[in-house]
Order: sequence, then C-alpha cells, then structure tokens
Amino acid sequence: DQQVKQNSPSLSVQEGRISILNCDYTNSMFDYFLWYKKYPAEGPTFLISISSIKDKNEDGRFTVFLNKSAKHLSLHIVPSQPGDSAVYFCAASRTNFGNEKLTFGTGTRLTIIP
Amino acid sequence: EADIYQTPRYLVIGTGKKITLECSQTMGHDKMYWYQQDPGMELHLIHYSYGVNSTEKGDLSSESTVSRIRTEHFPLTLESARPSHTSQYLCASSDRGPTYTDTQYFGPGTRLTVL
Repeated sequence: DQQVKQNSPSLSVQEGRISILNCDYTNSMFDYFLWYKKYPAEGPTFLISISSIKDKNEDGRFTVFLNKSAKHLSLHIVPSQPGDSAVYFCAASRTNFGNEKLTFGTGTRLTIIP
Repeated sequence: EADIYQTPRYLVIGTGKKITLECSQTMGHDKMYWYQQDPGMELHLIHYSYGVNSTEKGDLSSESTVSRIRTEHFPLTLESARPSHTSQYLCASSDRGPTYTDTQYFGPGTRLTVL
C-alpha cells in the first residue's frame, strides 16, 4: 500500500520557468513532510520540509505548499536552473515523539531544458 | 547538517561472498537507517537503529544484518551475496529536532553489483 504517491514519474521544464512537483498521501496521521533531491549514484539531499501546522514554507528558490484537507503537497522551484535536473522524492512521517520513520514516494525525475 | 560517509562507493563481487558496507556519521546522531533503492523505485527501509545496541528490521525484508556498537558507526553485512542483492544501499542519520521532527541526512550510497 503506497501511502505516499508521486504520480508523475517525470517532468520537463524550460530553464527560468517554474517547476511544480506534486505529492499525495493517504495516511492522515502524517504531519511532517520533506522533499529530497537525488542525483544518480549519489544519496538524497534534504531540500526543504514543512510541518502540518503550516501551509507554506519557503527557502530561497524552493517553496513547499501543504493542503491538509486534500492530503497534497507540492514543491515549487522558481526560477528553474539546469542544476535542478534530478529526481525529487517527497517523504512523510508522524511526529510521534520523534521515533517515526519516513515514508518515501517513488520520485519524480525533473529535467530542466536550457 | 550531518556529515555521513559510506564506503565503498561501488562494489562488484561474486556470488557467495561475505560483504560489509560501512556507514559512519560525525554528528552524534542517535538514529541511523539503511535503505535499499533500485533504479526508478522508492527508497525502502531495511534496517534502523535508535541508539547503541538498538537495531530493528525495516519495512522491506532483507537478508542483511546490522550492528550498532558505537553511536557513529552502523555497518551492514551480507553473509552470502546473491545477484538479487544488486542494488544501491543508502545510509542515513537523524536527530530529533526542536519540534520532534525527524529530518534524515543521507550518505552518498554504495552501489552493489553481485555477479
């Protein structure tokens, strides 16, 4: 049972435009969400996170939006740069005294077209 | 941010060999994790540890074993490698944040190929 879903396996965006990556979850107990970026043959790099007490968190070019009622989060990258080409994973957890594991989505491969 | 290291980065080995994948972190994080990832697939948790002498199996069944004798070190061992073990193995560590959140930081991974 896939509790965290990234329904778009790939996305291509023109350089300088906005990239929007989407993630849906089914477990209403999830209350902490993260986005990771992964290059081939490397480990995932933490990008940005959001707690369920917020609906938006921004860090430079990256903004994550959370819609709890729809169980949906999205990552916006603006403006998109060639170095953003990578696989992006969303992940979710429950903040149950800090002992909850992360559940990952299957990833979306983002390609930025120069 | 955690400094976390994995060795080797790449390993090609024959069937039946015993292998140990090393993972070390220098941030004093209590929690450490091993994930397995095949190309185009999600990360599957295979082992985790919440501290010294604590190890648990993850969501994905694995024939590997782990140990946690020191806080900074979390090696993974395969007693007899098989071609089905071919995959990327990712180690991560985390510590509870001020709001009880759990941001995991990953090492560079080990790409294992069993012939």
